[in-house]
Amino acid sequence: DAGVIQSPRHEVTEMGQEVTLRCKPISGHNSLFWYRQTMMRGLELLIYFNNNVPIDDSGMPEDRFSAKMPNASFSTLKIQPSEPRDSAVYFCASSLASPLHFGNGTRLTVT
Amino acid sequence: DQQVKQNSPSLSVQEGRISILNCDYTNSMFDYFLWYKKYPAEGPTFLISISSIKDKNEDGRFTVFLNKSAKHLSLHIVPSQPGDSAVYFCAANNQYYNQGGKLIFGQGTELSVKP
Repeated sequence: DAGVIQSPRHEVTEMGQEVTLRCKPISGHNSLFWYRQTMMRGLELLIYFNNNVPIDDSGMPEDRFSAKMPNASFSTLKIQPSEPRDSAVYFCASSLASPLHFGNGTRLTVT
Repeated sequence: DQQVKQNSPSLSVQEGRISILNCDYTNSMFDYFLWYKKYPAEGPTFLISISSIKDKNEDGRFTVFLNKSAKHLSLHIVPSQPGDSAVYFCAANNQYYNQGGKLIFGQGTELSVKP
């Protein structure tokens, strides 16, 4: 099993640009989570999906953030427009009634 | 509002000694607790968990203790090894309401085990 796959691993962009982060969950897992890691707050849950349906997006910081899961094998997290304070490591995780399995993250830098 | 707190950002321990990492939580509805370990440039990986019906769970060198009255849990690593050097995250959820496994994480504690 390849595990949770995230792309890109690193993203550097200028303020105001649109950023799209991608995630492929483990096959057969029915829940998908997007987390953001910062020094101050640790791992914050942004949004999670169950069977491709968004269940809880209360962690999405602003309307600039949006997430989709068009099918069981793919999800995106989009930031438009991006701001320097969005710089962080973004993790995707998936699960099937088990501990979460995380991808290796996307390090986003917004200048 | 930080529902899960790890108040020590870092901990340094000598190889062979015990490492104790602490975690406090505020939500009395939490009934399942986990520890994750994270190496640089990798995602967190599951280490050990404990249900609220227990007060201790052991897996090799790793033991998690839960004190529900104090809303406190700790991870003990004995003996500590240099390969244990990583960031450790405490996490919690309510299994009944979060069947999908939504976890609330703490800020993490960076453990350094010196040879």
